[in-house]
Amino acid sequence: QKEVEQDPGPLSVPEGAIVSLNCTYSNSAFQYFMWYRQYSRKGPELLMYTYSSGNKEDGRFTAQVDKSSKYISLFIRDSQPSDSATYLCAMSGPGGSYIPTFGRGTSLIVHP
Amino acid sequence: DVKVTQSSRYLVKRTGEKVFLECVQDMDHENMFWYRQDPGLGLRLIYFSYDVKMKEKGDIPEGYSVSREKKERFSLILESASTNQTSMYLCAIQEGHTDTQYFGPGTRLTVL
Repeated sequence: QKEVEQDPGPLSVPEGAIVSLNCTYSNSAFQYFMWYRQYSRKGPELLMYTYSSGNKEDGRFTAQVDKSSKYISLFIRDSQPSDSATYLCAMSGPGGSYIPTFGRGTSLIVHP
Repeated sequence: DVKVTQSSRYLVKRTGEKVFLECVQDMDHENMFWYRQDPGLGLRLIYFSYDVKMKEKGDIPEGYSVSREKKERFSLILESASTNQTSMYLCAIQEGHTDTQYFGPGTRLTVL
């Protein structure tokens, strides 16, 4: 079993849809949870960062962590064609100074 | 804003050539990383460094070496390039207290 599981997709949605991207993990010691967006042929860029459980919102993006289920989600409201990218989750812990473990990414396509 | 730059966006080399990939950061971070990214395999850690002149092997160090003579600069070296080293190479720096990583734009290396 991989330490972090992420469905590769592609996930294809119409413009304006609410998108839900998810990762599951097995290491209960993880405390730091991150989402990255990667456009084709570019480096990943940090989108959201969350410490421990709970929700965090930034504009159209909401990151959610459920440590009891070992499950994290990224929601995108009012999705746009410019949101088409690969989304990678990453997590680390228990303290600071650990190398994050990355999911393999989910490809999202938002069509007009 | 964190800035990580990589020496080339695209590089084409011949089998057996020595290849240098350079990464420069402008934020005085100790921790620097080299990954390669291949379709279906996600990010794989090659080498990382916690300080000048220090290096640690990642998950796939074979065929690679690194150099860190100055804090802001971390180089990845392919001593004798092979076709199976054709890949996207990504440099990253890491914030110590949050474990968030910031990536460079990537170098797409093709070995013929």
